[in-house]
Amino acid sequence: ETGVTQTPRHLVMGMTNKKSLKCEQHLGHNAMYWYKQSAKKPLELMFVYSLEERVENNSVPSRFSPECPNSSHLFLHLHTLQPEDSALYLCASSQDPGGQYNQPQHFGDGTRLSIL
Amino acid sequence: GQNIDQPTEMTATEGAIVQINCTYQTSGFNGLFWYQQHAGEAPTFLSYNVLDGLEEKGRFSSFLSRSKGYSYLLLKELQMKDSASYLCAVTQPSGGYSTLTFGKGTMLLVSP
Repeated sequence: ETGVTQTPRHLVMGMTNKKSLKCEQHLGHNAMYWYKQSAKKPLELMFVYSLEERVENNSVPSRFSPECPNSSHLFLHLHTLQPEDSALYLCASSQDPGGQYNQPQHFGDGTRLSIL
Repeated sequence: GQNIDQPTEMTATEGAIVQINCTYQTSGFNGLFWYQQHAGEAPTFLSYNVLDGLEEKGRFSSFLSRSKGYSYLLLKELQMKDSASYLCAVTQPSGGYSTLTFGKGTMLLVSP
């Protein structure tokens, strides 16, 4: 399924680098999400965008900066990351429920990030 | 706080039936999702329960008891390709949208 596409699939960067993760959805959804998935920990919600506006930020460090230029694209800008930020970063999209909460989120395959 | 518990690992034999349990304690509840995630791949949607009872979808069924804060995913006629992590997630209202709180996932290994 190519509904949600993430690039790159793998990224290795030093702590002083600046890089960006990209997510694109082709499902016509109007809500997009960034999650962090670390070993032996549950998926952690980082950011939520609904109708291109950030509606939730789960106390994520400022070294992670999201951008949602339109309803189909989502970016995660990274700078001066720490080794503990090494994880799988997943993007998801859904149809903003507007009261209907049974709409599943559709996930991309993720970007495997390694911080040296 | 939010708490979702599921077993870390389970093993089963090809052709058998396995039940993966999930218990939850959350401040809000608007339904429970089950996702399947193969290693290195995206989580994929399996089922959604909002009312008590059993939802059946082919070889997979999911059950919910809201009064007990309990759900299970039942997999029948197990196949090798069912080896994956199974994620339980509770959806909660937050303004005009929903957020998902996930459990740590249950790694299921199906052996011949």
